[in-house]
Amino acid sequence: EDQVTQSPEALRLQEGESSSLNCSYTVSGLRGLFWYRQDPGKGPEFLFTLYSAGEEKEKERLKATLTKKESFLHITAPKPEDSATYLCAVFFGNEKLTFGTGTRLTIIP
Amino acid sequence: DTEVTQTPKHLVMGMTNKKSLKCEQHMGHRAMYWYKQKAKKPPELMFVYSYEKLSINESVPSRFSPECPNSSLLNLHLHALQPEDSALYLCASSQDGGAGGYTFGSGTRLTVV
Repeated sequence: EDQVTQSPEALRLQEGESSSLNCSYTVSGLRGLFWYRQDPGKGPEFLFTLYSAGEEKEKERLKATLTKKESFLHITAPKPEDSATYLCAVFFGNEKLTFGTGTRLTIIP
Repeated sequence: DTEVTQTPKHLVMGMTNKKSLKCEQHMGHRAMYWYKQKAKKPPELMFVYSYEKLSINESVPSRFSPECPNSSLLNLHLHALQPEDSALYLCASSQDGGAGGYTFGSGTRLTVV
């Protein structure tokens, strides 16, 4: 069965302390990998789409990268407003997005 | 318009009530989805509509009944729910069945009492 695993489950960082979140998947025929940000009680907000190994996308303090079996979301010099749950999701071409369990990120001022 | 709009934002209903959740998008997306999300868990797929036809039902209990009146609207009819059905219900849409990603609404927080 296709699986998507995110680590760590939770991460607390000091403001300005850079780190990376991981999303690994066991699947063949990956059609796309997506990163979303979700604030409590809100719907997921789209961040990035990655389609092939070696691809990178950047937005402000966030950078997403993709290899054949995993993706990283790098956060550089985070601010408290970056606190949220970050979800990765994988699309296999079957009309379904399979979500990972998410990483709850807390940035401490 | 690049949004998916869900109403109501909050809903409290008794176990004998009938209520409906509504979702609307005007992006011309051909697929629409219902997801259920419990606290600290990822969204779980419930239903997929493609070109206004139900294409996937993830073995959802019949007390949840989806409806797609047209290409812009998606409803979820609720009847005889249980307290464990309390959750955040998310609607999403995609232009191409998912390869380009989904756009999510802000959700309806449902509480069953």
